[in-house]
Amino acid sequence: KNEVEQSPQNLTAQEGEFITINCSYSVGISALHWLQQHPGGGIVSLFMLSSGKKKHGRLIATINIQEKHSSLHITASHPRDSAVYICAGVLMEYGNKLVFGAGTILRVKS
Amino acid sequence: NAGVTQTPKFQVLKTGQSMTLQCAQDMNHEYMSWYRQDPGMGLRLIHYSVGAGITDQGEVPNGYNVSRSTTEDFPLRLLSAAPSQTSVYFCASSFTGGWNKNGYTFGSGTRLTVV
Repeated sequence: KNEVEQSPQNLTAQEGEFITINCSYSVGISALHWLQQHPGGGIVSLFMLSSGKKKHGRLIATINIQEKHSSLHITASHPRDSAVYICAGVLMEYGNKLVFGAGTILRVKS
Repeated sequence: NAGVTQTPKFQVLKTGQSMTLQCAQDMNHEYMSWYRQDPGMGLRLIHYSVGAGITDQGEVPNGYNVSRSTTEDFPLRLLSAAPSQTSVYFCASSFTGGWNKNGYTFGSGTRLTVV
């Protein structure tokens, strides 16, 4: 079993839909990152959070430390949101080390 | 600020050749790391460094060497390229702790093909 599990693996949505991507982890982490990768592109850090909720524009990230679960929400989705979304935990035992989920491929159709 | 600069962006190697992937950051980050990304798999840690002169192995270190002579640079060396090393490579850096407000900064990636 992977230490970080993401669901769904693939997601297709219509423009304007509310999108949720989930991330569950089985290891102790001090924080969790949500990353975005466009096709053929680099990786951009969207959020880093260790508790509660963060919001940036149409993106909202939440984390529940007790349940070892995080979600990334996209409101009013747009075709430009089409990308791979990756969650990554900062391992508590190893300082900076990241452990990654396999990613969720999101396609938003117009 | 340039952030994290990776070169080259693309490279084709023949089996057995050696090469160095360059990574440089100008943010005075102590922590630097190299990952490889393969289809259907999450990013996997190759090597990392917590400061100049200090490096350590990650999850998949075989076939790769690193050094950290300065805070800014963290090159990744392929000693004798193999087709199994065909992948996209990412360099990333952060301040120690990894969970400061700025998080991680990733380079734009190097797409390597070994034939």
